[in-house]
Amino acid sequence: AQKITQTQPGMFVQEKEAVTLDCTYDTSDPSYGLFWYKQPSSGEMIFLIYQGSYDQQNATEGRYSLNFQKARKSANLVISASQLGDSAMYFCAMRERSNYQLIWGAGTKLIIKP
Amino acid sequence: DVKVTQSSRYLVKRTGEKVFLECVQDMDHENMFWYRQDPGLGLRLIYFSYDVKMKEKGDIPEGYSVSREKKERFSLILESASTNQTSMYLCASIWTGGLLDEQFFGPGTRLTVL
Repeated sequence: AQKITQTQPGMFVQEKEAVTLDCTYDTSDPSYGLFWYKQPSSGEMIFLIYQGSYDQQNATEGRYSLNFQKARKSANLVISASQLGDSAMYFCAMRERSNYQLIWGAGTKLIIKP
Repeated sequence: DVKVTQSSRYLVKRTGEKVFLECVQDMDHENMFWYRQDPGLGLRLIYFSYDVKMKEKGDIPEGYSVSREKKERFSLILESASTNQTSMYLCASIWTGGLLDEQFFGPGTRLTVL
């Protein structure tokens, strides 16, 4: 069974609009962390934001925020005021306390239109 | 800043050749990982190492081996390259594998096997 699901293979968004990238996860471990990475066309993986399962507040980092809905097992990435440089692949990943490897989603390709 | 480097950004090899992909990190990280990335499949773990000379199989170890003789260096070996190993290979490292530790990635090696 898929542990991390990103249902949007690709998205087009107008520049300056906000965008939400979906991520749902599946775990029975009460302790886990959720991560978002960005991969531009150049190939490097850039860490964006993380959320711990016990964190009470949604994580934020600049224009990035994580909409964490624990009961629904979703951890959507929200990018406010999108920019052309936000065009990239975005990956959601999870680490469980019982298994410190990262489990990855298939990714969402985001294209920002001018 | 943590730096993870990979020996080549692009590599073209012939079927049957032995291929070495090198990864070096400069922050004394204990844990190192090799992933391959294919469109629509996200990142899949090939092997990881949690200490010098220690290695564990990931999800897709077949056709690959690894070597970790020094803490900073983790090598991925394709004993006899095949066309289905054409892919993007990403190396990553992490200090302790704590729940919210981020993985740091190298720039990736895009390998083509002809």
